[in-house]
Amino acid sequence: RKEVEQDPGPFNVPEGATVAFNCTYSNSASQSFFWYRQDCRKEPKLLMSVYSSGNEDGRFTAQLNRASQYISLLIRDSKLSDSATYLCVVNLNYGGSQGNLIFGKGTKLSVKP
Amino acid sequence: NAGVTQTPKFQVLKTGQSMTLQCAQDMNHEYMSWYRQDPGMGLRLIHYSVGAGITDQGEVPNGYNVSRSTTEDFPLRLLSAAPSQTSVYFCASSYSSHVLYGYTFGSGTRLTVV
Repeated sequence: RKEVEQDPGPFNVPEGATVAFNCTYSNSASQSFFWYRQDCRKEPKLLMSVYSSGNEDGRFTAQLNRASQYISLLIRDSKLSDSATYLCVVNLNYGGSQGNLIFGKGTKLSVKP
Repeated sequence: NAGVTQTPKFQVLKTGQSMTLQCAQDMNHEYMSWYRQDPGMGLRLIHYSVGAGITDQGEVPNGYNVSRSTTEDFPLRLLSAAPSQTSVYFCASSYSSHVLYGYTFGSGTRLTVV
């Protein structure tokens, strides 16, 4: 099983739709989780950290399920500007060093008018 | 405040040539790292540094060298370029090596080795 797995998509949704991405990770000792956004031919940018209790930032909600070893990202009221690739990032070691961050391959979202 | 600056943005090398990818940050970040991104694969860590004078290997270090003589700069050297090193290279920095702090990425260097 791969360390961090994401559905590559693409997810093609109309404006205003709600879309959810899941990401599974293999190491139960993982401690930190993030979602990054990457626009075409651009660098990744931190979208949000994922906390144990779940967290929300405007239209974006992140959830963590440690028992099933997955995290999710929910986007409500999709905008054209949400079109991008969303990267799931997991720290697989207990130590907390940045050197142990593992990036998923990303899920591509395309929001259509 | 420029953030993380990478140069060059594009580069074509011949097999066997050497070159240095430059990375500089002006945020006084302790932690800096280099990743490569290939089609269909996640970002993979090449080398990282937790502070000036300290570097360590990541997942795919072969064929690359780094040094960290100052807090600001973290150059990546390709010793003898190979076609397998054709990729997009991203430099990233963070306030601390603790994972609670997210990365700031540079805009990337697109390298082609022919």
